[in-house]
Amino acid sequence: AQSVTQLGSHVSVSEGALVLLRCNYSSSVPPYLFWYVQYPNQGLQLLLKYTSAATLVKGINGFEAEFKKSETSFHLTKPSAHMSDAAEYFCAVSARGGGSNYKLTFGKGTLLTVNP
Amino acid sequence: GAGVSQTPSNKVTEKGKYVELRCDPISGHTALYWYRQSLGQGPEFLIYFQGTGAADDSGLPNDRFFAVRPEGSVSTLKIQRTERGDSAVYLCASSRTRGNEQFFGPGTRLTVL
Repeated sequence: AQSVTQLGSHVSVSEGALVLLRCNYSSSVPPYLFWYVQYPNQGLQLLLKYTSAATLVKGINGFEAEFKKSETSFHLTKPSAHMSDAAEYFCAVSARGGGSNYKLTFGKGTLLTVNP
Repeated sequence: GAGVSQTPSNKVTEKGKYVELRCDPISGHTALYWYRQSLGQGPEFLIYFQGTGAADDSGLPNDRFFAVRPEGSVSTLKIQRTERGDSAVYLCASSRTRGNEQFFGPGTRLTVL
């Protein structure tokens, strides 16, 4: 079984400031980990994913995340926030391995607000 | 190329009615997933198809919910005797095969009055 906890349902930052969105996971098997972004009235878009290669994963739009097994964390960061980053962000986990169907288990989401 | 499309984008129905929600996956994608996103929550898995068969329907909340994918492409999620608690955004995603990136459609917003 898998689960995801996103700490902070709402994060507010100033334009140009560091963005840090927290995600902790629980998985009984080796996981794949994902960050998705959802803009208003749009579908989910994949930002980045961890699939057991490098633990520091770089994604689109300047975002990156680091897989820390000892902390069961996969926090999302961006050095400098842009106004266009304002959206809802979801962390997700799936099992990997031959028997997995790779269904995603999502956290509740974090709404990112960027202030001018 | 075309992404995942879902129709209708919005559906308003009355309690007790039957509804069908359609998903057109990306051409050639064999894996198809349905998720449900309630207000203030992350998406929750409903059902997974590999080809024409429902390989995992463990997320369907009860027997009022059913989904088909008869030709391995378009899928329809069917909800009988709708209840107000069924109100949510229903998301469809497809991937080239299981284990590849899932591409999401824009969703169908279902409102049960």
